[in-house]
Amino acid sequence: QVQLVQSGAEVKRPGSSVTVSCKASGGSFVNYAFSWVRQAPGQGLEWMGGIVPVFGTSNHAQIFKGRVTITANKSTDTAYMELSSLRSEDTAIYYCATISTLSRGTFDSWGQGALITVSS
Amino acid sequence: DIQMTQSQSSLSASVGDTITISCRASQAINNYLNWYQQKPGKAPNLLIYGATTLQSRVPSRFSGSGSGTDFTLTISSLQPEDFATYFCQQSYRTPWTFGPGTKVEIK
Repeated sequence: QVQLVQSGAEVKRPGSSVTVSCKASGGSFVNYAFSWVRQAPGQGLEWMGGIVPVFGTSNHAQIFKGRVTITANKSTDTAYMELSSLRSEDTAIYYCATISTLSRGTFDSWGQGALITVSS
Repeated sequence: DIQMTQSQSSLSASVGDTITISCRASQAINNYLNWYQQKPGKAPNLLIYGATTLQSRVPSRFSGSGSGTDFTLTISSLQPEDFATYFCQQSYRTPWTFGPGTKVEIK
């Protein structure tokens, strides 16, 4: 099973941007589709968007329209999520996850999460 | 968007109990329903996909049922390591959406 290691915690100012990385190992990167899911403190889980590196195609939830960019670098086996125009409500743990090859839209491996705090 | 609800925000149980956790979708999603377990400070962990299929290496005391709009996660003979929060998630249509979670606490 693929292992996902994410970048570390960050503190960002309102209005700035953050990029979280997710490096995959233990499997063939181009065999996977990746998604990003976030969890505000003490709250539930929210899907942000995803990417299929082999095709270079990505999609995202409409509520993040214009603010989220999801990319992947096949040469380094790393997926990225950039969130711009940050506000305090974006304070959350951001997880990357792979999509199961057996069941669409099913998250079968997860990174350890990256806490992003937005504060002035 | 498809809204997912879980009627119990929390439930108390004892080791050895059998418990059921409910999940409802705002529209029919066939069997495109997944269950995750999350422990404090950890990422979620997939337990069941396709409403009834046990993920590899997940103990057989976990089982899922349901189709359409109503689904259930059953944990038989609750073990100490099962005290956690459980989320359902629909994989019928994007945006993929999750229920608010049910926290299973020790009675």
